[in-house]
Amino acid sequence: NAGVTQTPKFQVLKTGQSMTLQCAQDMNHEYMSWYRQDPGMGLRLIHYSVGAGITDQGEVPNGYNVSRSTTEDFPLRLLSAAPSQTSVYFCASSPDQGNTEAFFGQGTRLTVV
Amino acid sequence: AQTVTQSQPEMSVQEAETVTLSCTYDTSESDYYLFWYKQPPSRQMILVIRQEAYKQQNATENRFSVNFQKAAKSFSLKISDSQLGDAAMYFCAYRRRGAGNMLTFGGGTRLMVKP
Repeated sequence: NAGVTQTPKFQVLKTGQSMTLQCAQDMNHEYMSWYRQDPGMGLRLIHYSVGAGITDQGEVPNGYNVSRSTTEDFPLRLLSAAPSQTSVYFCASSPDQGNTEAFFGQGTRLTVV
Repeated sequence: AQTVTQSQPEMSVQEAETVTLSCTYDTSESDYYLFWYKQPPSRQMILVIRQEAYKQQNATENRFSVNFQKAAKSFSLKISDSQLGDAAMYFCAYRRRGAGNMLTFGGGTRLMVKP
């Protein structure tokens, strides 16, 4: 099992460009989520999904879109990149709502110039 | 909304000694889960230990243990016999029961281990 795979690992964008961060998991987990990590602020939830076709907003959703057409994939789209979106992005998955571990991808370091 | 606070941005410990990282949280829920994650320089998020709020017994995983004080909303992590490989960022996280995969994280504590 590869676990949770995020691509790319690093990306530089110009202000106003759009892009998609990819996230795929091969553990058949129902729950997936996206976080951003900024210095001193820990990880903050952007969007999450409780299953294919179902998504909802987290704490900091503005400027991001998600979709969940399959159980395996949960891409994060930046519509028009801004310098404030410079961050490290993590995708996570877990099998259920209980005391189970959330499995994280390796993260994507995004710089918007 | 739930909040998680880690009041120690940085901590330092001598190799083989014991260190305690603090975490407090605020919630109106009675049923929830608490986690400590380790993030080494590789950026990988690694689960260290977890605690279910309805369990009074403190969780233990080898050299790692927690002091869970539900009334005080406190969830500290004790690392015994510290090793150089323990140097990392440590994040405390909260998840309400039934909240799917939605974690609320603290700001993190950077732990340095001195040889």
